[in-house]
Amino acid sequence: RKEVEQDPGPFNVPEGATVAFNCTYSNSASQSFFWYRQDCRKEPKLLMSVYSSGNEDGRFTAQLNRASQYISLLIRDSKLSDSATYLCVVARGSSASKIIFGSGTRLSIRP
Amino acid sequence: SAVISQKPSRDICQRGTSLTIQCQVDSQVTMMFWYRQQPGQSLTLIATANQGSEATYESGFVIDKFPISRPNLTFSTLTVSNMSPEDSSIYLCSVDEGSGRTTDTQYFGPGTRLTVL
Repeated sequence: RKEVEQDPGPFNVPEGATVAFNCTYSNSASQSFFWYRQDCRKEPKLLMSVYSSGNEDGRFTAQLNRASQYISLLIRDSKLSDSATYLCVVARGSSASKIIFGSGTRLSIRP
Repeated sequence: SAVISQKPSRDICQRGTSLTIQCQVDSQVTMMFWYRQQPGQSLTLIATANQGSEATYESGFVIDKFPISRPNLTFSTLTVSNMSPEDSSIYLCSVDEGSGRTTDTQYFGPGTRLTVL
């Protein structure tokens, strides 16, 4: 079983829709959680960190459920520019070797 | 945030040859990281490059296959040696904020897309 698992998608939704992704992690010692965005043929970039209390950044809301060991990302009023792959990232230590990337969920927004 | 450049951006190589990828950061950083991202897969850490010491390799990666140099605090190279088609992948270098906290953001270079024939 992978340490970080995501539904690969693709999710194909109309512009303006609300879409949600989940990500599960297997190591209960995980400490920090992130969502990164990767555009086609580009490098990953941090979208947002995920805090225990949940956090919101504009149209994006991230939540963490430690008991069930999953992280979610909600995108409201989706835009064409939201089309990308969303990577769930889990860190369980302070070195890069303890940062685990999920394989990503592909999102495609159609006009 | 750090600005990272990589060269080459892409290459097509013959089996058995080697390719050296360069990574340049616009600020001094203690650690630089090399990742591989195979098609449709997640990023996998190859090694951590420390200035002034040997690179630290992750399980499944060895120095003979992926030698790394780190001559100063802004530059690193990764060599993919004796290439086979299985080495076809995107290779990315990255740095983090360097505070040692798990909340550090990782910044990635644009990647080098390697195809081995």
